[in-house]
Amino acid sequence: GQSLEQPSEVTAVEGAIVQINCTYQTSGFYGLSWYQQHDGGAPTFLSYNALDGLEETGRFSSFLSRSDSYGYLLLQELQMKDSASYFCAVRDLNKFYFGSGTKLNVKP
Amino acid sequence: DTGVSQDPRHKITKRGQNVTFRCDPISEHNRLYWYRQTLGQGPEFLTYFQNEAQLEKSRLLSDRFSAERPKGSFSTLEIQRTEQGDSAMYLCASSWTGGDTDTQYFGPGTRLTVL
Repeated sequence: GQSLEQPSEVTAVEGAIVQINCTYQTSGFYGLSWYQQHDGGAPTFLSYNALDGLEETGRFSSFLSRSDSYGYLLLQELQMKDSASYFCAVRDLNKFYFGSGTKLNVKP
Repeated sequence: DTGVSQDPRHKITKRGQNVTFRCDPISEHNRLYWYRQTLGQGPEFLTYFQNEAQLEKSRLLSDRFSAERPKGSFSTLEIQRTEQGDSAMYLCASSWTGGDTDTQYFGPGTRLTVL
């Protein structure tokens, strides 16, 4: 079967750095994506890794290790507006599997 | 605004009734996806279209669910004989094959409540 594991909740203070891990087990793998979803909103794309290594986009970075079936999302200089749920998602050819999400609480 | 749109935004129905949702993707996008999301969970893949062809369908989709994308533009998702367990947010997303980041753009969703 397919499974994606990520922590259910993380709390951090404004200005800090937080890392959200994702381990996956899928029959096929074409890439790992990260999405942000605020309460009541739609998921929005943050980053994508198809190959091993680090991808940086502003305050957000994402890392992938295909040999370890592992990735993480790194959020730097946390802001209150970063309080949201974060989902990792694996593409398996034409299917996409999402984790159950990590709720990030940013405190002042 | 040229983002993904979904209609209706909310639907309340009685158990056993049929419902149909519509999704209008971003105009230049040829890929379209349907997901279901329940509270506290991630989106659950339902089906995928490339142009008008339905290339993938989750086995989670029972015979009561069907999706179409007749002209490769908008798509509809129909649920027949609704059950209380069908209550969820139904999300549509679109993307295009020319991208290298697999970015999916999500619509606001249709919230279904089955009484």
